[in-house]
Amino acid sequence: GQNIDQPTEMTATEGAIVQINCTYQTSGFNGLFWYQQHAGEAPTFLSYNVLDGLEEKGRFSSFLSRSKGYSYLLLKELQMKDSASYLCAVRVRIMAGTASKLTFGTGTRLQVTL
Amino acid sequence: DSGVTQTPKHLITATGQRVTLRCSPRSGDLSVYWYQQSLDQGLQFLIQYYNGEERAKGNILERFSAQQFPDLHSELNLSSLELGDSALYFCASSVGRGQGYSANTGELFFGEGSRLTVL
Repeated sequence: GQNIDQPTEMTATEGAIVQINCTYQTSGFNGLFWYQQHAGEAPTFLSYNVLDGLEEKGRFSSFLSRSKGYSYLLLKELQMKDSASYLCAVRVRIMAGTASKLTFGTGTRLQVTL
Repeated sequence: DSGVTQTPKHLITATGQRVTLRCSPRSGDLSVYWYQQSLDQGLQFLIQYYNGEERAKGNILERFSAQQFPDLHSELNLSSLELGDSALYFCASSVGRGQGYSANTGELFFGEGSRLTVL
């Protein structure tokens, strides 16, 4: 199975930068996703990494190291609306070339304060 | 709006009852996924269908079943309900080309969820 770990809660100040880490252990790795979820709402896609390195997308960046089983999501210029849960999800192959499964971590609840 | 439609949005029922949750995927998406999210819990993968066939199974209870119909909508049936089944049930769809594995990022698009309360 997959084991995905991320901090339960984090707090940061408006305008600051925050880094949310995610570590995973899995076989058949085929990509890592970050989703944002506001309370009671649907998760929305933020970023995707399948190769090592940094992917930048506006205020959000995501990094992946496959050898270390490690990823982080970097949020810059924090805004109050960024208060949400951030879910790390790992995709693994189930059958070679035909199917995959996405497993989510329990999420990191980020509180942005003034 | 993700394009994924789930009904009902809210459902309150009693223990022992049976309910059916419905999901219409985004136009053109062949894969449908069901997830359960209990209070303060992560998204737990239940089951995936691709073009009408079961493709992957997670920790889905035997009391639960699902299917995907020829028009690609899916239903999740929950029976003999228990208090612990109270949760948000999300349906998601993804771009499915060929064999259900997308050559793109393959991100999932989630519906708004069905909130089930079992009393």
